[in-house]
Amino acid sequence: QKEVEQNSGPLSVPEGAIASLNCTYSDRVSQSFFWYRQYSGKSPELIMSIYSNGDKEDGRFTAQLNKASQYVSLLIRDSQPSDSATYLCAVNWEMEYGNKLVFGAGTILRVKS
Amino acid sequence: GAGVSQSPSNKVTEKGKDVELRCDPISGHTALYWYRQRLGQGLEFLIYFQGNSAPDKSGLPSDRFSAERTGESVSTLTIQRTQQEDSAVYLCASSFLGAAPLTEGETQYFGPGTRLLVL
Repeated sequence: QKEVEQNSGPLSVPEGAIASLNCTYSDRVSQSFFWYRQYSGKSPELIMSIYSNGDKEDGRFTAQLNKASQYVSLLIRDSQPSDSATYLCAVNWEMEYGNKLVFGAGTILRVKS
Repeated sequence: GAGVSQSPSNKVTEKGKDVELRCDPISGHTALYWYRQRLGQGLEFLIYFQGNSAPDKSGLPSDRFSAERTGESVSTLTIQRTQQEDSAVYLCASSFLGAAPLTEGETQYFGPGTRLLVL
């Protein structure tokens, strides 16, 4: 089992709809979870971080964390064509030497106008 | 600097040649990471530096790959005797306190990457 798993997609949603991106992770000590967005040919950029169970909202983005189920998701409300990108889930493992971010392979999102 | 910078932005080389990739992290960031991303694939962790020591080299794919870092600044990733399967984007990231539990808002910030093509 991969440490961080995401559906590769592509996930296609119409403009204005809610896009739901999911991520599961293996059983390791993790306290921090991140969503990065990566446009084609560009480097990843951080869009959301979440540390506690429940929901965290930031503008059109909502991150949801359920540690018991080892599940983290990202909801994008009112999806726009500019949201079309690959979304990478990252889980922080606290190693004996420090922190290590483990990334999923990413989900391709396509928002159709 | 304002962000993580990497050079060169693009590199084309012939199979068997050595290449050196450079990363300048954000000023003050103690932790530095190298990743590889093949076309259409996810991020593959290569190596992690805390200061100028590398406590995690587990991702280096072979002994042709090596990296070093000077203090808490520049890092270089060297690939010897390049092979075609080394073709990828090599991304560098830095963070402020790699050795401490991450606090709210702290994470890794990525450079623009070096696109390596081995012919």
